[in-house]
Amino acid sequence: QVHLLQSGPVVKKAGASVTVSCKTSGYVFTMYGVSWIRQAPGQGFEWMGWINTSEGHRNYAQKYQGRVTITADTSTSTAYLQLANLRPDDTAIYYCARDDVGLTGRSWFAPWGQGTLVTVSS
Amino acid sequence: DIVLTQSPDSLAVSLGERATIHCKSSQSLLFNNNYLAWYQYKIGQPPRLLFYWASTRVYGVPNRFSGSGSGTDFTLTISSLQAEDVGLYYCQQHFSTPTFGQGTRLEI
Repeated sequence: QVHLLQSGPVVKKAGASVTVSCKTSGYVFTMYGVSWIRQAPGQGFEWMGWINTSEGHRNYAQKYQGRVTITADTSTSTAYLQLANLRPDDTAIYYCARDDVGLTGRSWFAPWGQGTLVTVSS
Repeated sequence: DIVLTQSPDSLAVSLGERATIHCKSSQSLLFNNNYLAWYQYKIGQPPRLLFYWASTRVYGVPNRFSGSGSGTDFTLTISSLQAEDVGLYYCQQHFSTPTFGQGTRLEI
């Protein structure tokens, strides 16, 4: 059974950085990309970026360029999202999700992790 | 970025009646297949994939759900609304940098 388990909720001060982990199981990690998607309170979903878990190639949404880093540890089948220089409007639920198509970087997402609430205080 | 616009923003349907949600893309999503997916979202849970390639139903999704459309106009239909179908529904395109519609809230 494919499963993505994310790290727990975090509270950060503005200007700090946060790292969220996403441990995967039930499939071959390097055969599927992993995307990160966030949902601010009362808002819809926003794709942040993606990593090719086989080659390490990454693609980030322009909005987050320079602040976001996505990495993958193939030895533990875990993906990571790091977001720097946090602002209060970064308060959101952050989800990892498997790119179900594979490693194309153009995919629907299934399944999703349970989500990680990141709260940024001023 | 491709903009997806869903309509309506919210929808109230009686149990057993049909619910229809629309998703319109700012550009065609068709290239051999239609690069559009549908999700169901309930508060406190991660989104659940319902359809990919616009009309391919995910295993386990009840057949009262159907996805249709091509190019720029897509529809999610629930033929006979059940209580457990209440929630938010989102379309998502993966023709280019992924984007989501703003969501449609479905209520009884």
